[in-house]
Amino acid sequence: KQEVTQIPAALSVPEGENLVLNCSFTDSAIYNLQWFRQDPGKGLTSLLLIQSSQREQTSGRLNASLDKSSGRSTLYIAASQPGDSATYLCAANTGGFKTIFGAGTRLFVKA
Amino acid sequence: NAGVTQTPKFQVLKTGQSMTLQCAQDMNHNSMYWYRQDPGMGLRLIYYSASEGTTDKGEVPNGYNVSRLNKREFSLRLESAAPSQTSVYFCASTEPRFPYEQYFGPGTRLTVT
Repeated sequence: KQEVTQIPAALSVPEGENLVLNCSFTDSAIYNLQWFRQDPGKGLTSLLLIQSSQREQTSGRLNASLDKSSGRSTLYIAASQPGDSATYLCAANTGGFKTIFGAGTRLFVKA
Repeated sequence: NAGVTQTPKFQVLKTGQSMTLQCAQDMNHNSMYWYRQDPGMGLRLIYYSASEGTTDKGEVPNGYNVSRLNKREFSLRLESAAPSQTSVYFCASTEPRFPYEQYFGPGTRLTVT
């Protein structure tokens, strides 16, 4: 059974710092790995999706990598800003209609 | 495009009451999903609908029923609400083909007292 873990559960960094959020999964047979942002009381916004055949995806200051062999994905945020404060969730699609979510990392960027 | 919309945004029920959560998408997606999100846990799949006319159980279906009314709309019904169903409920949609990117609604925050 696929399990997705995100460590740490919470992270506080000063503005301007580069940071890495970690996501691990137990079954390497995934179709994709998707990173979401969730603001308090809001829905999930898709940030990046990495297909199983890809190693990384980039969007602006965000870069997500995927290593299926080790069961790991990372989300790199460059030059963090207070507006980046949110919860970041990763999710592994294990086939068609089954997506397993991590519990998220709550990020706080201090001005 | 409004994307995925959900109503209501908030709801308080007493134990034993029933209600229906509504979801609609305007992206012409075939597949739709209902998840619940509880503190400290990831989202868990309640039910999904691969296409119009079909529904299937997810990880936590007990106490819920669903209806895929048409391609746009997918509703979730609680027949007899219990405190354990206090949660935030999210609807999502996706095309049922690679790479299966999901799009989410804003959520319904439900409290059962």
